[in-house]
Amino acid sequence: EAGVAQSPRYKIIEKRQSVAFWCNPISGHATLYWYQQILGQGPKLLIQFQNNGVVDDSQLPKDRFSAERLKGVDSTLKIQPAKLEDSAVYLCASSLDVGYSQETQYFGPGTRLLVL
Amino acid sequence: LAKTTQPISMDSYEGQEVNITCSHNNIATNDYITWYQQFPSQGPRFIIQGYKTKVTNEVASLFIPADRKSSTLSLPRVSLSDTAVYYCLVGDLTGTASKLTFGTGTRLQVTL
Repeated sequence: EAGVAQSPRYKIIEKRQSVAFWCNPISGHATLYWYQQILGQGPKLLIQFQNNGVVDDSQLPKDRFSAERLKGVDSTLKIQPAKLEDSAVYLCASSLDVGYSQETQYFGPGTRLLVL
Repeated sequence: LAKTTQPISMDSYEGQEVNITCSHNNIATNDYITWYQQFPSQGPRFIIQGYKTKVTNEVASLFIPADRKSSTLSLPRVSLSDTAVYYCLVGDLTGTASKLTFGTGTRLQVTL
């Protein structure tokens, strides 16, 4: 079974530029998550989708971050404009069901972003 | 939300049993305990989950005392490949994953 796919794996941009990350979850998984992981910290949830609807985006900095999952499958996360503090690994995960806390989440390898 | 406390780091020799304890003093009746493992440059990976007493799978065991205010992840006979960060999470059965918090985890270093 194919895992969660993410691209690109690495990205270097200058501050105030925009960047987009792509995620393809495990086939059939209803729930998709985007996390931000700053060096030395645990992942922090940015947004949770169930199919193509948003379940929770309370920790998403909406003035610069946006995410969509238009057809309920793959998803994109965008940052515009980027700030230095956005340097982090952006992880995508998916789970089979509706996204209850006890569901197993399957994570992708992440996209490492460096903002200069 | 139940807050978790774990040791920042632990060291072990290959072949030893490692026990990582997580404190969650304000755990609620509906809360489950879940552990994830994260290798460098990879996303976290589910290890084990439990509600009470003991759970065992092919990778680890999870011990939860009767009061459920702590839990212990036990890794039998660790190898160098078990070097990773281990996260303890507490989540409400009735809530969404958005209420989970990973924390900073426990960095386990296994050496020869």
